[in-house]
Amino acid sequence: AQSVTQLDSHVSVSEGTPVLLRCNYSSSYSPSLFWYVQHPNKGLQLLLKYTSAATLVKGINGFEAEFKKSETSFHLTKPSAHMSDAAEYFCVVLLGGGAQKLVFGQGTRLTINP
Amino acid sequence: DAMVIQNPRYQVTQFGKPVTLSCSQTLNHNVMYWYQQKSSQAPKLLFHYYDKDFNNEADTPDNFQSRRPNTSFCFLDIRSPGLGDAAMYLCATSRDLAGNQPQHFGDGTRLSIL
Repeated sequence: AQSVTQLDSHVSVSEGTPVLLRCNYSSSYSPSLFWYVQHPNKGLQLLLKYTSAATLVKGINGFEAEFKKSETSFHLTKPSAHMSDAAEYFCVVLLGGGAQKLVFGQGTRLTINP
Repeated sequence: DAMVIQNPRYQVTQFGKPVTLSCSQTLNHNVMYWYQQKSSQAPKLLFHYYDKDFNNEADTPDNFQSRRPNTSFCFLDIRSPGLGDAAMYLCATSRDLAGNQPQHFGDGTRLSIL
């Protein structure tokens, strides 16, 4: 069965420093993986998606993620954090089999220090 | 801009008093979803419509119902809200059930139960 594990429930970085949010997945076949961001009292916004094309995926707002099959990882990175990046981030895998059911990780809260 | 719109943003109801949450979309997507998100948790899928076909998750309580009168609108009805139903309710859409189609989320309705 497909699942994702976000390795950190909370990450805190200083503004202007790199961001790394870690995600490991479990899947019996090539997965479809997504990163979504949720700002307070808002819905989820798609940052980027991996669907078996290029392993390095570029998303919005300067974020990117690399699909590493050998490590079963899909970590989210950004070279330089901005205050507006403070939010909850969800790593998500798509449960296949004809139903588009998203399986969410537990979420990582990103805090940006001035 | 094409989007997913949820009304109201905040809803207060009394214990046991029926309540309806509304979602509309201008994306002309075939699939609409309802999620429940409790504080500091990932969203939990309640059900989805593929066109007029209703698909209920196995663990969604009978207290929760949904209607989709046309492509653009979908409603979540909670027949007898309990205190445990206080949560953010998120509506999402996708073009179809293909794995490479991301879901587009509204900003949610935060439901409080008095």
